[in-house]
Amino acid sequence: EAGVAQSPRYKIIEKRQSVAFWCNPISGHATLYWYQQILGQGPKLLIQFQNNGVVDDSQLPKDRFSAERLKGVDSTLKIQPAKLEDSAVYLCASSLGRGGFDEQFFGPGTRLTVL
Amino acid sequence: GQNIDQPTEMTATEGAIVQINCTYQTSGFNGLFWYQQHAGEAPTFLSYNVLDGLEEKGRFSSFLSRSKGYSYLLLKELQMKDSASYLCAVMDSNYQLIWGAGTKLIIKP
Repeated sequence: EAGVAQSPRYKIIEKRQSVAFWCNPISGHATLYWYQQILGQGPKLLIQFQNNGVVDDSQLPKDRFSAERLKGVDSTLKIQPAKLEDSAVYLCASSLGRGGFDEQFFGPGTRLTVL
Repeated sequence: GQNIDQPTEMTATEGAIVQINCTYQTSGFNGLFWYQQHAGEAPTFLSYNVLDGLEEKGRFSSFLSRSKGYSYLLLKELQMKDSASYLCAVMDSNYQLIWGAGTKLIIKP
């Protein structure tokens, strides 16, 4: 079974530039998550989709971050404009979405450096 | 507020046993997860506890006490490859996963 795919793996941009990340979840997984993980910290949930609807985006800085999951499969996360503090690893995860024991499978992440 | 506490860093010797503790305060409880994360890699699932008691899986075991808001991950016969961060995460009443900051485990020969 193929895992969660993410691209790009690394991205370096200057502040105020825009960047987009792509995620392809495991086939059949209804729930998709975008996390931000700053070095030395645990993952912070940015947004959670159930199929193509948003379940939770309470920690998404909506003035600069946006995400979409068209057709309930692939998803993109965009930052516009980027700030220095956005430097982090952006993890995409997916799960079956059945509540309770709902193991999340993570992609390799995108390491973003904002200069 | 919701809070997950775990030690920042622990050191242990190859072949020994180490216990990583996690305490939590969340709005509701629908299970506790432990994930392993090697440096520069994505987290991978280790264990899930929803009822009190010990769950054993090979060299790894996880314990839960819901009344105390407490869990631990026990690693036996430590190997160098066990050097990683161990993340405790609790699923709250809304089925949202609340993550701890992780415990960095350093294994010495």
